[in-house]
Amino acid sequence: QVQLVQSGAEVKKPGASVKVSCKASGYTFSGYYMHWVRQAPGQGLEWMGWINPNSGGTNYAQKFQGRVTMTRDTSISTAYMELSRLRSDDTAVYYCARGNAIAAAGTGGDYWGQGTLLTVSS
Amino acid sequence: DIQMTQSPSSLSASVGDRVTITCRASQSISTYLNWYQQKPGKAPKLLIYAASSLQSGVPSRFSGSGSGTDFTLTISSLQPEDFATYYCQQSYSIPWTFGQGTTVEIK
Repeated sequence: QVQLVQSGAEVKKPGASVKVSCKASGYTFSGYYMHWVRQAPGQGLEWMGWINPNSGGTNYAQKFQGRVTMTRDTSISTAYMELSRLRSDDTAVYYCARGNAIAAAGTGGDYWGQGTLLTVSS
Repeated sequence: DIQMTQSPSSLSASVGDRVTITCRASQSISTYLNWYQQKPGKAPKLLIYAASSLQSGVPSRFSGSGSGTDFTLTISSLQPEDFATYYCQQSYSIPWTFGQGTTVEIK
């Protein structure tokens, strides 16, 4: 069965960086886009970007350009999201979500990780 | 970016009620519309994709309809486990954008 397992909660100081991992199993990792979505406390869902695990190509939301880097290690079927220059308003739960198959029409996230809580506080 | 607007933002309903949530896109998105259910402390769960296709394992009391700019999620007979927040999301173009959510509460 498809599973996405994320790394554990993080506490960071403003200005620091964080790297969240998302380990995939139960399907061909390189065959599907991986998206990252975050949710601030009590708020809605905000898309951050995607990575094509096959090519390593990325597409980031304009809001996060210059601060976010998405990478992958296909040998261990793991995607990563690194966010730098953290601010207090980056406090949120960060999710990875499997998107559509490469070269297929756009679909939603059919499988999601359990979420990683990031707290940014001095 | 495509803006997604859901209504209502919250509603109170009883077990057995028929519940309808609407979602409007700021431009035509064909049928690239997905619905999610989220419970407190949990990740979103995909219910409906491509506007009207039921995700595997999702009860048949959930249904979706619409195309272009106007979409609807219907729960035919509300069950206790359906009290949650529901989000629509467009996958027509990047960036993905979500509605603000509709919280379904117990009356």
